[in-house]
Amino acid sequence: KAGVTQTPRYLIKTRGQQVTLSCSPISGHRSVSWYQQTPGQGLQFLFEYFSETQRNKGNFPGRFSGRQFSNSRSEMNVSTLELGDSALYLCASSKDSVSYEQYFGPGTRLTVT
Amino acid sequence: DQQVKQNSPSLSVQEGRISILNCDYTNSMFDYFLWYKKYPAEGPTFLISISSIKDKNEDGRFTVFLNKSAKHLSLHIVPSQPGDSAVYFCAASGRHNAGNMLTFGGGTRLMVKP
Repeated sequence: KAGVTQTPRYLIKTRGQQVTLSCSPISGHRSVSWYQQTPGQGLQFLFEYFSETQRNKGNFPGRFSGRQFSNSRSEMNVSTLELGDSALYLCASSKDSVSYEQYFGPGTRLTVT
Repeated sequence: DQQVKQNSPSLSVQEGRISILNCDYTNSMFDYFLWYKKYPAEGPTFLISISSIKDKNEDGRFTVFLNKSAKHLSLHIVPSQPGDSAVYFCAASGRHNAGNMLTFGGGTRLMVKP
């Protein structure tokens, strides 16, 4: 069974631009979560989607948004990029609405210059 | 407010010996705990988990122990192998969260020396 895939793997953007990251969950998994990893803050929860609905959101500004499609694929968007948004963005999928075990993709490394 | 803490940023162990990684949590609403292993430039890999109704869960070389009264869990790796060298994260979740949300500790870098 294929794992979680994320595209692109690496991205360089300029301050003020916006970016869209994509995630395809494991086949059959309906929950997709997004996390940000930085050296200073560690792994922090961004948001989670199940059946195209956002169920939970972490403590991030409104510049961070996401969505989920009917095939469970998910995208996250960051608008008006800041230098501090440079991070590894990780997507994780889990089977259903109450599965705590999440399986992570390789991440997208975003660098903002 | 850091709800999940891993107080040891690094740990060095000799190959073949036991590695013990520790994690503390403060939120008594957490009822499910997980350990992940992470290599550089890769996503975390799920290792083992434990529900709060248990105090021990074992999977091959990996055993997780949960002490609810102390709000403490630990991961034991026996015997340790050089390939185990990675950053280990503990994570917690609970029914109080409206969804599958994990709260992670800061990680412990394990180095297993041949």
